[in-house]
Amino acid sequence: GDSVTQMEGPVTLSEEAFLTINCTYTATGYPSLFWYVQYPGEGLQLLLKATKADDKGSNKGFEATYRKETTSFHLEKGSVQVSDSAVYFCALSDSGAGSYQLTFGKGTKLSVIP
Amino acid sequence: GAVVSQHPSWVICKSGTSVKIECRSLDFQATTMFWYRQFPKQSLMLMATSNEGSKATYEQGVEKDKFLINHASLTLSTLTVTSAHPEDSSFYICSASPDRASDTQYFGPGTRLTVL
Repeated sequence: GDSVTQMEGPVTLSEEAFLTINCTYTATGYPSLFWYVQYPGEGLQLLLKATKADDKGSNKGFEATYRKETTSFHLEKGSVQVSDSAVYFCALSDSGAGSYQLTFGKGTKLSVIP
Repeated sequence: GAVVSQHPSWVICKSGTSVKIECRSLDFQATTMFWYRQFPKQSLMLMATSNEGSKATYEQGVEKDKFLINHASLTLSTLTVTSAHPEDSSFYICSASPDRASDTQYFGPGTRLTVL
């Protein structure tokens, strides 16, 4: 079945540091890939997505590139801010499996300190 | 943006009682709603998918008689945990999609259930 593996947290960075959160996946079809963010006390919000190989999703300074050859979708940001502190979830939606259900990774908690 | 609400945000109940959780799409019509369960430091696990006006489709291992899902309108879905027990304590999250043929989901803030 489909699965998503993302790096274990928590991750603690100083403000303006470079961020990478690794994510790899297995899927039977041709998945769309997502990063969701959950701020404290709030629901998950879509951060960015990519629907096919070599696509790059980007939003709020975050980027992730769909790498089919390495089955990866790593999240990066060049300079994190305190306001980026949240839990980040990598996910996939495999329409080839006949539905648009999301399969999530376990989440990575990011704390950015001033 | 699309907003999904859940009520209550947290609930404490006694073992053996039933608890109902509401999920509402506030500014769009949700053809499909999803219910997830999240354990501490774990991923969101899909429990069931419900399409308005039809029976929910439950994931393998989820007891349909214990977790009753109703999606009676395009803006409301409910999850009822029947005869709750301490092992049902968890964080329950719903999401809503405006289109069955779309991978877009909007998430509610979640409901923390504690069964004593």
